[in-house]
Amino acid sequence: GAGVSQSPRYKVAKRGQDVALRCDPISGHVSLFWYQQALGQGPEFLTYFQNEAQLDKSGLPSDRFFAERPEGSVSTLKIQRTQQEDSAVYLCASSLAGRDTEAFFGQGTRLTVV
Amino acid sequence: KNEVEQSPQNLTAQEGEFITINCSYSVGISALHWLQQHPGGGIVSLFMLSSGKKKHGRLIATINIQEKHSSLHITASHPRDSAVYICAVSEVTGNQFYFGTGTSLTVIP
Repeated sequence: GAGVSQSPRYKVAKRGQDVALRCDPISGHVSLFWYQQALGQGPEFLTYFQNEAQLDKSGLPSDRFFAERPEGSVSTLKIQRTQQEDSAVYLCASSLAGRDTEAFFGQGTRLTVV
Repeated sequence: KNEVEQSPQNLTAQEGEFITINCSYSVGISALHWLQQHPGGGIVSLFMLSSGKKKHGRLIATINIQEKHSSLHITASHPRDSAVYICAVSEVTGNQFYFGTGTSLTVIP
């Protein structure tokens, strides 16, 4: 597709379950960002990749959160032992170069932990 | 600490009205983005600007770097403009964007 694709669109997980969220960026985009958006809030930065290198993971809220982009294209955000406070929309964005170029956002994955 | 502040938080307008949403930021930036988010939907980038003014259809975005302020204007508003509008900035140093909490716009027919 032409845009950033995220899957699944919706995920319901039982507390304690592990989840994996996928982001397919636009082909050729070097930069990839993950954001967490709680209800009624703006997105909060989680982590940033330049190709396969994770250059910034300062926004990951705990060691239960892990992100990878092994081949510099598709990225996966994994959350282990999910907790209710992890419920949010997880947004992925990609850009051709760095953050100074236009970012394209995916539709997001809405995670609900019950 | 909020690096990006938006106002108003909520806005209701009659169809046809001229709308202004404001964004102020406190960090040095390399670019400012205006984004649109529909309920249950993803985010669409409307504008990226680092100076001056940009126009796309009925949407106009302006930025004043000295005052660290940007505005998004919608002329002849329409119910389909109803969405959350988010201001985001790319900091000069660092890799991340900072986002405002968004302005929820409802345009009534």
